[in-house]
Amino acid sequence: DQQVKQNSPSLSVQEGRISILNCDYTNSMFDYFLWYKKYPAEGPTFLISISSIKDKNEDGRFTVFLNKSAKHLSLHIVPSQPGDSAVYFCAASGVRGSQGNLIFGKGTKLSVKP
Amino acid sequence: DADVTQTPRNRITKTGKRIMLECSQTKGHDRMYWYRQDPGLGLRLIYYSFDVKDINKGEISDGYSVSRQAQAKFSLSLESAIPNQTALYFCATSDLSSSGANVLTFGAGSRLTVL
Repeated sequence: DQQVKQNSPSLSVQEGRISILNCDYTNSMFDYFLWYKKYPAEGPTFLISISSIKDKNEDGRFTVFLNKSAKHLSLHIVPSQPGDSAVYFCAASGVRGSQGNLIFGKGTKLSVKP
Repeated sequence: DADVTQTPRNRITKTGKRIMLECSQTKGHDRMYWYRQDPGLGLRLIYYSFDVKDINKGEISDGYSVSRQAQAKFSLSLESAIPNQTALYFCATSDLSSSGANVLTFGAGSRLTVL
């Protein structure tokens, strides 16, 4: 059973507009959530994280929102740029016994059109 | 040089062959991981190690083994490769960030094809 779900396999957005990538989770014990970006032929790279005690974290064009009651988080990219085109993975950690290991979603492929 | 280096980057082999994927890191991190990525399945944890004497199975360890030769080196072996082990394999290292999140640094990946 998937603990971290990214239900949209792909998303297409116009350059300059907002990109919103969504992630749902099932385990209320997760204490950290992370977003990774992956370009073809490269490894995933860390983008931004949020602690479960917060509801928002911002870093430049990237903002992550956490809604614990809905077990939902989202990554907002404003404004979107063609270089943001990549696969984005949501990940969660902190379940007791997991030793902080990350559980990843299946990813969402973002395409930003010029 | 990359913080996390994986070799080989690409490998084609036949069913039944023994394969080793190697990983080295210059981050000085104690924690190292091997993940597997399959299309539509995201990243799944195979094995992880928190120091040289510590090896732990992940979600999908069957058919794989690992060796932590040094703090900086963590290799993944397929003793007898089978076609459903065809995948993209990633090594990663981590150290808890200042925020407390377990931030992983990944290598560029090793693409393995088993015929």
